[in-house]
Amino acid sequence: NAGVTQTPKFQVLKTGQSMTLQCAQDMNHEYMSWYRQDPGMGLRLIHYSVGAGITDQGEVPNGYNVSRSTTEDFPLRLLSAAPSQTSVYFCASRRGSLNTGELFFGEGSRLTVL
Amino acid sequence: EDKVVQSPLSLVVHEGDTVTLNCSYEVTNFRSLLWYKQEKKAPTFLFMLTSSGIEKKSGRLSSILDKKELFSILNITATQTGDSAIYLCANMNRDDKIIFGKGTRLHILP
Repeated sequence: NAGVTQTPKFQVLKTGQSMTLQCAQDMNHEYMSWYRQDPGMGLRLIHYSVGAGITDQGEVPNGYNVSRSTTEDFPLRLLSAAPSQTSVYFCASRRGSLNTGELFFGEGSRLTVL
Repeated sequence: EDKVVQSPLSLVVHEGDTVTLNCSYEVTNFRSLLWYKQEKKAPTFLFMLTSSGIEKKSGRLSSILDKKELFSILNITATQTGDSAIYLCANMNRDDKIIFGKGTRLHILP
């Protein structure tokens, strides 16, 4: 019953450091996405993928890279962290069929950049 | 640029009141309108609306979509303290891109 698993749950970085937020799902979902959530800002889409080998930019992609080499995994890379990237990050997945808009979310990863 | 606008951003009511949350959108290649509830952690799915005028209902929550005027409402009747949460509206387009609004923070006073 794992669903969507994000690691790590908490991370503190210094400006300029790099890191990868991991996301894995075991539901065989085609669609995966990364959002960031800041106070009063709702969820903002960073990158998304409609299947293995396919990725696309969301609303706020700058400073983030993604890849989708398998259906299960969708890691988010910060190449050179900045304080503006301090946020809570959510990974989400859903079935690719037309009949559902239900996103399944991970528990979130709280990132602080000093 | 796709946009989802929610109002009000914050709302405080007393237990038992009825509330209406609003969501307007500008989206190219519209597919569906989504509502989510977020309590302490990750959002949970409430409704997906695809057709105008057809009400979706779950207990005390209901929602309807107007595709001509590009908006949706979420109604909660006989509110309870457990309804306190952030309610998020989102839009999915035909490229599978899902964009959220800023949310309405609802607080129910006992």
